Amino acid sequence: ELKVEQNPLFLSMQEGKNYTIYCNYSTTSDRLYWYRQDPGKSLESLFVLLSNGAVKQEGRLMASLDTKARLSTLHITAAVHDLSATYFCAVDIGTGNQFYFGTGTSLTVIP
Amino acid sequence: EPEVTQTPSHQVTQMGQEVILRCVPISNHLYFYWYRQILGQKVEFLVSFYNNEISEKSEIFDDQFSVERPDGSNFTLKIRSTKLEDSAMYFCASSEAWGNEQYFGPGTRLTVT
Repeated sequence: ELKVEQNPLFLSMQEGKNYTIYCNYSTTSDRLYWYRQDPGKSLESLFVLLSNGAVKQEGRLMASLDTKARLSTLHITAAVHDLSATYFCAVDIGTGNQFYFGTGTSLTVIP
Repeated sequence: EPEVTQTPSHQVTQMGQEVILRCVPISNHLYFYWYRQILGQKVEFLVSFYNNEISEKSEIFDDQFSVERPDGSNFTLKIRSTKLEDSAMYFCASSEAWGNEQYFGPGTRLTVT
């Protein structure tokens, strides 16, 4: 069974600080996606990583993919309160394009 | 900007009743999906649909569940006889092609009493 694990599960950080969220998965895939979910809301696509070594940046967030290590990271630079949300990684391995979501990381940025 | 829409936003039903959740995917997308999220937990894949057929389904998607694309725009999820444990947020998603990012709708919160 495919496992997609994120750590930490909960992250409380001060504004202005940097931190990294990790996403490990247990089987071969070269397609990984990051989503953001605000409380009670839907999932918003952040990044699409489609090859080993892929790096994408948008604002204070940067995502990378190492398919050999089966690891993706989401790095937060100089956090601001607006980044408070739950972040999910999702791995695509199936022929039917099904996504396996990680456990989620609940991020709270404290002023 | 095109978006996935879902109706209703909240559905309350009694155990044993049938429910139909409706979705309108983005118009030029060819792949459609249903996921569910039990409160406070991760998002779980239910089923993917392409070319009027199920492509993949998870163990959750048992005989109680079915999907249909009854016309050119709607994509529905039917739960035949709801159970308490079916209470969750159900998300519809669509993508333009295989491997592309999936765009999620706002979700339908299903409460089974």
